Amino acid sequence: LAKTTQPISMDSYEGQEVNITCSHNNIATNDYITWYQQFPSQGPRFIIQGYKTKVTNEVASLFIPADRKSSTLSLPRVSLSDTAVYYCLVGEDSSASKIIFGSGTRLSIRP
Amino acid sequence: DTAVSQTPKYLVTQMGNDKSIKCEQNLGHDTMYWYKQDSKKFLKIMFSYNNKELIINETVPNRFSPKSPDKAHLNLHINSLELGDSAVYFCASSRDGTRGEQYFGPGTRLTVT
Repeated sequence: LAKTTQPISMDSYEGQEVNITCSHNNIATNDYITWYQQFPSQGPRFIIQGYKTKVTNEVASLFIPADRKSSTLSLPRVSLSDTAVYYCLVGEDSSASKIIFGSGTRLSIRP
Repeated sequence: DTAVSQTPKYLVTQMGNDKSIKCEQNLGHDTMYWYKQDSKKFLKIMFSYNNKELIINETVPNRFSPKSPDKAHLNLHINSLELGDSAVYFCASSRDGTRGEQYFGPGTRLTVT
């Protein structure tokens, strides 16, 4: 099973770039890496997904090194509304039973 | 235009009772899921359905049973509720199986007294 490890919490300030790293040493060849964001009393929301190298969308970037044993979610110029819990998820389509959400990283943004 | 909806949002019941949580998605997705999030915020998958076929069954008690009357609905039935069942239950759906983006419902907070 591709278990994930993330920092429990992180603090930053508005306007800063925030990088959250997830370790997944046992990632399998067919596994994709997905990040979700969760606000209090809401369901998780998809942020970004990647397999290797770099992926960028309108809200974040995902950096994956060649060995794929870790990944880094990068949030540019955070605001107070980015305060949430961020989950790293590793899994593949054919092994649906192996979906495992990590414990998440609680990100707190200060003014 | 709610994508994934759940009812009820809150459910308070006593030990030993049987309850159901309903989930509906209007996204046309083929796969639906149920997750349990405990007080420590760990999110654990319980079940998923793909075209009415159960393709995940994690090590959950058999008191929990998913029921899918059609592709847009996946209800969760819980028999003989226990204190440890208290948690937030999330329904989700995706188009491309587990690789794809999952859309989560707002959650149902279940409290067993």
